[in-house]
Amino acid sequence: NAGVTQTPKFQVLKTGQSMTLQCAQDMNHNSMYWYRQDPGMGLRLIYYSASEGTTDKGEVPNGYNVSRLNKREFSLRLESAAPSQTSVYFCASEMDGYEQYFGPGTRLTVT
Amino acid sequence: KQEVTQIPAALSVPEGENLVLNCSFTDSAIYNLQWFRQDPGKGLTSLLLIQSSQREQTSGRLNASLDKSSGRSTLYIAASQPGDSATYLCAVRTSYDKVIFGPGTSLSVIP
Repeated sequence: NAGVTQTPKFQVLKTGQSMTLQCAQDMNHNSMYWYRQDPGMGLRLIYYSASEGTTDKGEVPNGYNVSRLNKREFSLRLESAAPSQTSVYFCASEMDGYEQYFGPGTRLTVT
Repeated sequence: KQEVTQIPAALSVPEGENLVLNCSFTDSAIYNLQWFRQDPGKGLTSLLLIQSSQREQTSGRLNASLDKSSGRSTLYIAASQPGDSATYLCAVRTSYDKVIFGPGTSLSVIP
């Protein structure tokens, strides 16, 4: 039981490049989330998905897109990376309003 | 607007001490409150989840309490150990799709 997995662990991008962060969970959870964590700002919700086929914006969605490919996988895409998107990105999953389980994070630097 | 604060921001204690971490929130209309620990460079690990109808939850040396009317939760750690050194975050669920995280308390347990 791997829980929540994320790839890649680290990434360096140049301004304007694109990339997709991958997340998968094997706990049969309905809901999945993408957060970013920045010093002094705490954890902020980017997008979430309450079930397969649905996605909704969180607090800071600008510059990001998401895809809930199936119940297990929820990806986050940066179409044109900016230095302000330098952050640590966490994926989380839960079963309908109960405990959230987090992945190990992706450390992204945009130069 | 729900705001979550944690005091103190940092705490250093000698090994063996019992300690209390505090979490305050401004709106008592919450679904649940969850405590996490985060080790440096790692993801968040769920410690305890308290539903809004509950007063406390216990797991091993950890005990979390919830007082919705006063907007407070405490995490009590008994007989602290160096391995407890980490950042502790509380998170308040205000609706099905909204979880607000506190800024965290950085705990150091000195051998």
